[in-house]
Amino acid sequence: GENVEQHPSTLSVQEGDSAVIKCTYSDSASNYFPWYKQELGKGPQLIIDIRSNVGEKKDQRIAVTLNKTAKHFSLHITETQPEDSAVYFCAASPGSQGNLIFGKGTKLSVKP
Amino acid sequence: NAGVTQTPKFRVLKTGQSMTLLCAQDMNHEYMYWYRQDPGMGLRLIHYSVGEGTTAKGEVPDGYNVSRLKKQNFLLGLESAAPSQTSVYFCASSFLRHDRNEKLFFGSGTQLSVL
Repeated sequence: GENVEQHPSTLSVQEGDSAVIKCTYSDSASNYFPWYKQELGKGPQLIIDIRSNVGEKKDQRIAVTLNKTAKHFSLHITETQPEDSAVYFCAASPGSQGNLIFGKGTKLSVKP
Repeated sequence: NAGVTQTPKFRVLKTGQSMTLLCAQDMNHEYMYWYRQDPGMGLRLIHYSVGEGTTAKGEVPDGYNVSRLKKQNFLLGLESAAPSQTSVYFCASSFLRHDRNEKLFFGSGTQLSVL
């Protein structure tokens, strides 16, 4: 089955810096890669996602890149703000062959 | 619009006790899911449902049962709680199956401690 590895587990940046979180997946059949943000005491919320036929997607300060050959995808946050502090989860879905598999999460701290 | 509502928010059980976690969604979603979240383990799927009256096993189904008698509700039951079931439980729903690029809507979670 699918296995998703996420790095780093914790990340601390200064406000205004960029943050990058990386994930690798094992199942070449995976075709959908969402990123969820979980603020303290709340459930995860989808912030961006990408499909396997797209290499990059941007939404304001957030971008996701996908390298299907290497089987890895990354979340990029530019001009970080304190409200970006949260736990971020990547996930991969092998389509009709299985369920969404989440990475173990990255705790991002943005210091003012 | 309440979205996905979980009750209770907190619960402490003794080993061997039973309980039911309730999830309700008001978005008319077909798909509903129960996840558990443990430190350093991410989110793991326990059971899910593809529609009223249906249930299916996820990654970690042992020790749990579920029921979907009404489309808007998805119940997670622990028949005989064990300390290994101490976790934060999240319910989620989606209009279509999540592998069809459908966003999951999560509830705010239930913190369960089994002593």
